Amino acid sequence: EVQLVESGGGLVPPGGSLRLSCAASGFTFSSHSMNWVRQGPGKGLEWISSIDSSGTYIYYGDSAKGRFTTSRDNSKSSLYLHLNSLRADDTAVYYCARELRLGAPYFDSWGQGTLVTVSS
Amino acid sequence: IVMTQSPATLSVSPGDRVTLSCRASQSVDNKVAWYHQKPGQAPKVLLYGASARATDVPDRFSGSGSGTEFTLTISSLRSEDFAVYYCQQYSDWPLTFGQGTRLEIK
Repeated sequence: EVQLVESGGGLVPPGGSLRLSCAASGFTFSSHSMNWVRQGPGKGLEWISSIDSSGTYIYYGDSAKGRFTTSRDNSKSSLYLHLNSLRADDTAVYYCARELRLGAPYFDSWGQGTLVTVSS
Repeated sequence: IVMTQSPATLSVSPGDRVTLSCRASQSVDNKVAWYHQKPGQAPKVLLYGASARATDVPDRFSGSGSGTEFTLTISSLRSEDFAVYYCQQYSDWPLTFGQGTRLEIK
């Protein structure tokens, strides 16, 4: 069974930093591109970032460029999202999500999410 | 690419046939996926490639469209289908979602 478990969320002051992790199991992690998607309170889904299976190619949405960094460690079947210069509007549940097929970035498996709250 | 869903909310009854719409601001070929999300849960993929059902998705869900206009149809609503539905384009970066359509019980 595919499992994605996010961790690392919490309360952080404006301007602060946080590192989110996503632990994957039940599939060959190194064969899949992975993504981060977030959802603000009462809001819709916003794609944040995508990283290919080897970690070579990384794409970011506009809200993440210059502030967030995505990485992965295939030896640990783990995905990471480093959040810097956090703002109140970064408050959201952050999901990691798997791409099933190479070249088709839609998401067949999602974690349960980790909540990041940016507040003083 | 901006994805625009309509309507924002739809009040329907179990057993109804429902059609949700999603419009792209430019052509995305058939590179659209649909998800639904229940309160407190992660989204779940329903369709990809505009019309292909994902694994274990019931055949009451169907999709159509290409270019800029897409629809998701639920042939006969069941209680477990009341949720928020999102379309997503994966034709180009950045990936973008529609703002969602909420199905609520009439």
